[in-house]
Amino acid sequence: EAGVAQSPRYKIIEKRQSVAFWCNPISGHATLYWYQQILGQGPKLLIQFQNNGVVDDSQLPKDRFSAERLKGVDSTLKIQPAKLEDSAVYLCASSLAGLAGGSNEQYFGPGTRLTVT
Amino acid sequence: AQSVTQLDSHVSVSEGTPVLLRCNYSSSYSPSLFWYVQHPNKGLQLLLKYTSAATLVKGINGFEAEFKKSETSFHLTKPSAHMSDAAEYFCVVSDPSGGSYIPTFGRGTSLIVHP
Repeated sequence: EAGVAQSPRYKIIEKRQSVAFWCNPISGHATLYWYQQILGQGPKLLIQFQNNGVVDDSQLPKDRFSAERLKGVDSTLKIQPAKLEDSAVYLCASSLAGLAGGSNEQYFGPGTRLTVT
Repeated sequence: AQSVTQLDSHVSVSEGTPVLLRCNYSSSYSPSLFWYVQHPNKGLQLLLKYTSAATLVKGINGFEAEFKKSETSFHLTKPSAHMSDAAEYFCVVSDPSGGSYIPTFGRGTSLIVHP
């Protein structure tokens, strides 16, 4: 089975520019997650989707970050404008949903390493 | 609100000796608990998970973890470390405190294995 796909793998931008990341989850996975992982820290959940609805976005800096999951499959995460502190790896993950959603394993993509200069 | 604490940022062991990576959690519900591993330049991979069945959970590569409700702990162990175990390990708690299961990662423990 194909894994979680992310692109691009690397991105370098200047502060105040905008950037977008794309994620294609495993087929049939209703739940999709975006994480921010700053060097030396654990992944921080930015937003969680169930199909095309938002389950949690409490840690998403909504003044500059946005995410969508049209049609409940692919997802994009956008940053506009970027700041130096946004330099991190952005991870996308997906999992099966349902009543046992909490116990379902997350499958992670390779991540996008963003450098803001 | 749920939370997870990984008590050690780094653990250093010699090859062939036991491994202990400590994790404590806080949850008002019966949580699901996970350990993930992240090797350098590789994606996160599930090692094992606890979901209210057996309290002693066996995972891949000889790792296991024991859920202890009284101690709110979920420590990860392995009897004998291998060089290939050197990686970053993350403990994750997930409970329905917000109406849906939202995962929270610990800060990670870096396992260093000496020959």
